[in-house]
Amino acid sequence: GAVVSQHPSRVICKSGTSVKIECRSLDFQATTMFWYRQFPKQSLMLMATSNEGSKATYEQGVEKDKFLINHASLTLSTLTVTSAHPEDSSFYICSAREGASGELFFGEGSRLTVL
Amino acid sequence: GENVEQHPSTLSVQEGDSAVIKCTYSDSASNYFPWYKQELGKRPQLIIDIRSNVGEKKDQRIAVTLNKTAKHFSLHITETQPEDSAVYFCAASHGMRFGAGTRLTVKP
Repeated sequence: GAVVSQHPSRVICKSGTSVKIECRSLDFQATTMFWYRQFPKQSLMLMATSNEGSKATYEQGVEKDKFLINHASLTLSTLTVTSAHPEDSSFYICSAREGASGELFFGEGSRLTVL
Repeated sequence: GENVEQHPSTLSVQEGDSAVIKCTYSDSASNYFPWYKQELGKRPQLIIDIRSNVGEKKDQRIAVTLNKTAKHFSLHITETQPEDSAVYFCAASHGMRFGAGTRLTVKP
C-alpha cells in the first residue's frame, strides 16, 4: 500500500511554544489530507481537512488560529500547534487520501506533550 | 456533516467465535466505507472496505456488509483469534469521520 510519513513521532515542548508536525505522502500525490487528534482510549477526532493549494476546512470547535494547517504541495501538509498548552497534549495523526482508490493511509502519529 | 455511530464500544468473545461490529452513518452522499484496526500505540491499518455499489465484501475471515437504504454497515470477523484483539474503527467517506471505536478482546 501507499506510504504516509509523519514527523516527529514524539515531541515535548514548553507551554507557550509552537510545534510543527509534518505529514508526507511518499509515493502518491494527495490532494486531500486529514488531521486527527486522539486521546487515550478514544476515537480519532477529525480536526480539519487539508486541501492542496487552498485553506483547510476546520471542524466545529477547532480553533483555526491555534492549529495552523498548510498544504503547500501535493505531498506535504503541516500542522502547527501555536502557543501550546498542557491541554493540547495528545496524539495527533494525519492521513492522506489516495486518489485512485480513495483509500485513506495514515501517518505514524505524533505524540505531543506540553509541559 | 457526516455523523458516524458505532457499537458496541467493547466486545469480548471466545477464540473461535464470531464478532460483529455495527456502524450507522447519516450522509447519503458517503460512498466509501473503510474499517480500520488499531493496535495500542500504532497507526490505524485498513483491514477491509466497501463501496456503495456492492452489498457485501469478503476477505478470508473478515467480511463487511452494507445496507444503503438503512445507512448502516457491519464488520464480521469469523473464527476469531487472540491476535484479532485491537480497537476497530469504521468511517464514512463524506468527511472521513470515524466511529467511536470498538475494543475487541478475543480470549484464548
